[in-house]
Amino acid sequence: GAVVSQHPSRVICKSGTSVKIECRSLDFQATTMFWYRQFPKQSLMLMATSNEGSKATYEQGVEKDKFLINHASLTLSTLTVTSAHPEDSSFYICSARDSPHKNTGELFFGEGSRLTVL
Amino acid sequence: GIQVEQSPPDLILQEGANSTLRCNFSDSVNNLQWFHQNPWGQLINLFYIPSGTKQNGRLSATTVATERYSLLYISSSQTTDSGVYFCAVVTGANNLFFGTGTRLTVIP
Repeated sequence: GAVVSQHPSRVICKSGTSVKIECRSLDFQATTMFWYRQFPKQSLMLMATSNEGSKATYEQGVEKDKFLINHASLTLSTLTVTSAHPEDSSFYICSARDSPHKNTGELFFGEGSRLTVL
Repeated sequence: GIQVEQSPPDLILQEGANSTLRCNFSDSVNNLQWFHQNPWGQLINLFYIPSGTKQNGRLSATTVATERYSLLYISSSQTTDSGVYFCAVVTGANNLFFGTGTRLTVIP
């Protein structure tokens, strides 16, 4: 299957700082990537859809100024948590599909990034 | 939006036992996948199965799209099968929704 890689896998930062998480598709091009958030012992929640060359689409309730998404190339999307606070501590996971069709094709996930804000 | 419910929420098995996990969804879907989330958080793709039946080793899955459910069968469970199992569906609007998850613990 296709490979999606995330970096860093763990990050600890101080409150008020910004943190950038990278998501790369290693062996395919992805015009669309997805960012999810997962709190402990809960399911994954879609935060936003990252579109190459255009603005991301955010789900209801997700602050676009807090979670900046940039999809600058067909293999890289970044999520920046700005002015992080302890409540932003969570597990962030990205995904992509190696199909040109929006609604079909298997989704592959990165390893996830665990953010802890002190 | 679409509701995706999984059952049971928690399951404890003796090593070697078989189990069936269920995923019910409230609307028609274009895509359904099953994942295993390991203790480190990584999501492992198990099946891409919008309809029909597939088998991979000790695991198999069946999706009956017309009745809006999918089943994941685990046979001869092993301790390494422990973790959380999620189903996820894609609707016509291209939104991906994850189910509530089933936490499986296999004891030796």
